[in-house]
This record gives sequence, C-alpha cells and structure tokens, in this order.
Amino acid sequence: AQRVTQPEKLLSVFKGAPVELKCNYSYSGSPELFWYVQYSRQRLQLLLRHISRESIKGFTADLNKGETSFHLKKPFAQEEDSAMYYCARLIIQGAQKLVFGQGTRLTINP
Amino acid sequence: NAGVMQNPRHLVRRRGQEARLRCSPMKGHSHVYWYRQLPEEGLKFMVYLQKENIIDESGMPKERFSAEFPKEGPSILRIQQVVRGDSAAYFCASSPPGVTEAFFGQGTRLTVV
Repeated sequence: AQRVTQPEKLLSVFKGAPVELKCNYSYSGSPELFWYVQYSRQRLQLLLRHISRESIKGFTADLNKGETSFHLKKPFAQEEDSAMYYCARLIIQGAQKLVFGQGTRLTINP
Repeated sequence: NAGVMQNPRHLVRRRGQEARLRCSPMKGHSHVYWYRQLPEEGLKFMVYLQKENIIDESGMPKERFSAEFPKEGPSILRIQQVVRGDSAAYFCASSPPGVTEAFFGQGTRLTVV
C-alpha cells in the first residue's frame, strides 16, 4: 500500500529556532509529493510541491529518494507558522488521488 | 472564483438520520475528491468523482455512504442512518482535468448525537 508517514503528531519550537517536519513515504517509482498547510479556521492549502523546487514562506522540502523522505524545513520559525501541516503523495493507479499523512501540529512559542 | 464551497459548515444529526454534505467545485474543475478526517487522525481518501462518474471509491465504507457528482449542481456525499462513529470533518477538493494540484473547501463538520 502507498503510505505517507508523519511520525510527529505535535511539534513545538521557539520563535527563531529551526523547524523540521518529517515525512516518509513508501517507495514506489518516482513519487510526486506535496506539503499542505491548514492555518486555524482556514482551509487546507498547498504550501509547496517537490517538482517545483521552490521556497514558500521560507519553507523548503527536498526529496531524498535514498531515505524515502520529504522533510519540510525552515531555518527560523515565526509565530504565524503555527498550523497543521500535511505531507501528501499523488497516487496514480488509473485514477489519481492524494494520500495524506496524519499531519503534524506545529506550535511556535514566543 | 470563489474557491471550493462546502455546505453546511456544521451539521448535527441524530443517530439514524441522514446527512447530506454538498461541495461546489471551483469554476472549470470537473474532478472532485472527498476526504474524511476523524478526530486525532489525518485525512483519509474516500472517493474521486468526475461529472456523472465515480472514478475511485476505494475509500468509501461499503454501507450507508454514497457520493454523486451530477452534470448540473454540486457533488453530494450522503450518509444514511448515521452513527456516532461518522462524526468527523469531511473535506472536498477539486481540480481541473490533467492538473495534479487539488484545491480544498473549508470542510463540513458532522456531529452525530
């Protein structure tokens, strides 16, 4: 089964500290991976996707095929980064669908 | 473009009643996905629909749950004879054909009492 694993349900760091949210996926071919974010009382929205190799709001994520990981990183956390973060993988088996990890609730302490 | 619209935002049903959740995709989007988020859990895929077709319903419970996306009007997720375990947030997402990015609605929070 295609799985996406986020081992940390909760992550708390201080403002200005580095942040790393972990994501691992079960290996199968060339994965297409995403990070989604859900701020309080807002809808889930795309943060970044690995194929675009961009940095959004200071976040980056690198696909590591050897470790089957797609960790999300930011060097200096800000209070407005507090949110739920979901790692997702696109599965194409005939039809396409996103498979999500369980999510990590990130809290940035002042 | 108003984005993906889900209604109602909150729905309370007594055990045994029916719940109907609506999702209007973004303009130009013909693909709709439904996800369920149980308390303390991640988003679980339920069903993927295109206009008038169910493409993948591998995540739908075998009984009491059904989904449709008619030629006109919103997509409907229908839960018959609701039970307490159906209490969850139900999210809808849409995308245009050939595009892998999905846009999410704000969700419907179903509470079964």
